[in-house]
Amino acid sequence: ETGVTQTPRHLVMGMTNKKSLKCEQHLGHNAMYWYKQSAKKPLELMFVYSLEERVENNSVPSRFSPECPNSSHLFLHLHTLQPEDSALYLCASSRQSGIRGTDTQYFGPGTRLTVL
Amino acid sequence: EDQVTQSPEALRLQEGESSSLNCSYTVSGLRGLFWYRQDPGKGPEFLFTLYSAGEEKEKERLKATLTKKESFLHITAPKPEDSATYLCGTPGGGFKTIFGAGTRLFVKA
Repeated sequence: ETGVTQTPRHLVMGMTNKKSLKCEQHLGHNAMYWYKQSAKKPLELMFVYSLEERVENNSVPSRFSPECPNSSHLFLHLHTLQPEDSALYLCASSRQSGIRGTDTQYFGPGTRLTVL
Repeated sequence: EDQVTQSPEALRLQEGESSSLNCSYTVSGLRGLFWYRQDPGKGPEFLFTLYSAGEEKEKERLKATLTKKESFLHITAPKPEDSATYLCGTPGGGFKTIFGAGTRLFVKA
């Protein structure tokens, strides 16, 4: 698979579990994003990394912890989640240009997370 | 406050029945308007970026247009495979992109 890949595609976890979502981009981009998508709501930006440095953190609860070890990989570590955290979690990447926010973002297929 | 609003929330069309989706925005200084298509259970797929009022872009049965206050996604003679959710978004401050809630399009054969 090319472009942006995400694993796992589906995840069911209890509120006391710890799990991680993985994202990998094969596009040579240097910015990566985590979004949360809930039914009938706009995409919610969670975190942004540019050149492996976190540049956006949108008041996300500490039970979500991102990690970006290099420009091709992004993780979202999950612990003690709540049922309302059930959603589709999308990873995206873009080429960082001189004008922030104008670069086209390419999305992965998402991880469907269910918290019991 | 920067905002993107899409309408209608859902649209049902017969195959071949052309129509338009609306994306209105309020941002201080437009730096691009994106359109994406999203199929159920999948990530958004990039369609177009428009940068200035009057600009138009086409792809198969889709044409996106942009004015100073809104963008339209025109669908000409749609087919059932065009059924999807269509998202629009625009850069906000910093690295943010502000997305609308989407329009769910259903095309019946």
